[in-house]
Amino acid sequence: GQNIDQPTEMTATEGAIVQINCTYQTSGFNGLFWYQQHAGEAPTFLSYNVLDGLEEKGRFSSFLSRSKGYSYLLLKELQMKDSASYLCVFMDSNYQLIWGAGTKLIIKP
Amino acid sequence: NAGVTQTPKFRVLKTGQSMTLLCAQDMNHEYMYWYRQDPGMGLRLIHYSVGEGTTAKGEVPDGYNVSRLKKQNFLLGLESAAPSQTSVYFCASSLGTTDTGELFFGEGSRLTVL
Repeated sequence: GQNIDQPTEMTATEGAIVQINCTYQTSGFNGLFWYQQHAGEAPTFLSYNVLDGLEEKGRFSSFLSRSKGYSYLLLKELQMKDSASYLCVFMDSNYQLIWGAGTKLIIKP
Repeated sequence: NAGVTQTPKFRVLKTGQSMTLLCAQDMNHEYMYWYRQDPGMGLRLIHYSVGEGTTAKGEVPDGYNVSRLKKQNFLLGLESAAPSQTSVYFCASSLGTTDTGELFFGEGSRLTVL
């Protein structure tokens, strides 16, 4: 079957760096996404990786290793507004999206 | 630019009642989706549409029906609501699945079935 694993909850300090890991098992792969979802709101797109390596976008970076079925989202210079859930999503060989349950990130002053 | 708009935002139903959730997008997107989100679980796809007049089943289609009579609208119907359908429903749209596949979501509709 196809599966995504990511930690349920993480805590970090304002101004610090945090890495949210995601592993996936799939028979096919067409890309990996990260979405941010604030409590009570809709998910919003953060990043897309289809090739191995690091994609940097401001304070956020996303890394992919297809051979290891592994991705991480790196958040730098954490701000209180980064408190949210971060959803790891992969696209399988049929272009269907498989969503992880999300990692709730709590930022403390 | 409104993006993706869902109505209603909140609804309480009694078991056995029916209702329709409306999703409208103004981005001329071909693809539209209905998801449900439950605590501790990832988003689950109910139904989707790859263009006007077409619909397809997702991961959890039972108990729901959809229609895409116009490109900009995607309706989700519950014919006979059950407590198991208590959830937050999200509509989303995208250009397609061969680009980055970025989804644009509506604000969500919170449905409670008593």
